[in-house]
Amino acid sequence: QVQLQESGPGLVKPSETLSLTCTVSGGSTNNYWWSWIRQPAGKGLEWIGRIYSTGSTNYNPSLRSRVTLSVDTSKHQSSLKLISVTAADTAVYYCAREIPAAPPTYFYFMDVWGKGTMVTVS
Amino acid sequence: QSVLTQPPSVSAAPGQKVTISCSGSSSNIGNNYVSWYQQLPGTAPKLLIYDNSKRPSGIPDRFSGSKSGTSATLDITGLQTGDEADYYCGTWDSSLSAWVFGGGIKVTVL
Repeated sequence: QVQLQESGPGLVKPSETLSLTCTVSGGSTNNYWWSWIRQPAGKGLEWIGRIYSTGSTNYNPSLRSRVTLSVDTSKHQSSLKLISVTAADTAVYYCAREIPAAPPTYFYFMDVWGKGTMVTVS
Repeated sequence: QSVLTQPPSVSAAPGQKVTISCSGSSSNIGNNYVSWYQQLPGTAPKLLIYDNSKRPSGIPDRFSGSKSGTSATLDITGLQTGDEADYYCGTWDSSLSAWVFGGGIKVTVL
């Protein structure tokens, strides 16, 4: 069974760069989209962006200027970098796998999520 | 402000039915498929419904989804205390080229 595990520093200073890694176990990163989502305490889900195993990306327009996603299929990992962080970036960060539904829709949905990692900017 | 609109909360007694709405626009719900996610307290979101109305393996048929126009609905029948959670709708927004979520609705079992 595929499992995702986010990892990285739990504390980042303002104006510095937040770096997180999502490690996939029990499966491959190939041929999937890998999304990053965050959730400030007591608030809703905010999609950050996604990366396909070939390197194609989509980003949340509100975060695009500060976010970079990467993928290393040999290590079964996806990574997130968020620059120039402020207290507003404090949140639980999740990674999730997107898979396409069966025909005829082929529409993507997030079927597996990591447990999340708390990042505080202070 | 979330792109998809959900009421903030709903409550009902055990065994009752709750209906959760999710409102969007033609660039998201109107032309794409909706998925629903359940987030139990202190845990990560979990897939509940995809393709508007399909349930992944292991999800009981007490949970059902539907879509009409630019709105989607999640029904929970036979409400149980274990259903107390936040529920989020999500879909792709073709104009933004981005995933969008509802603000989440808190379901309380009285």
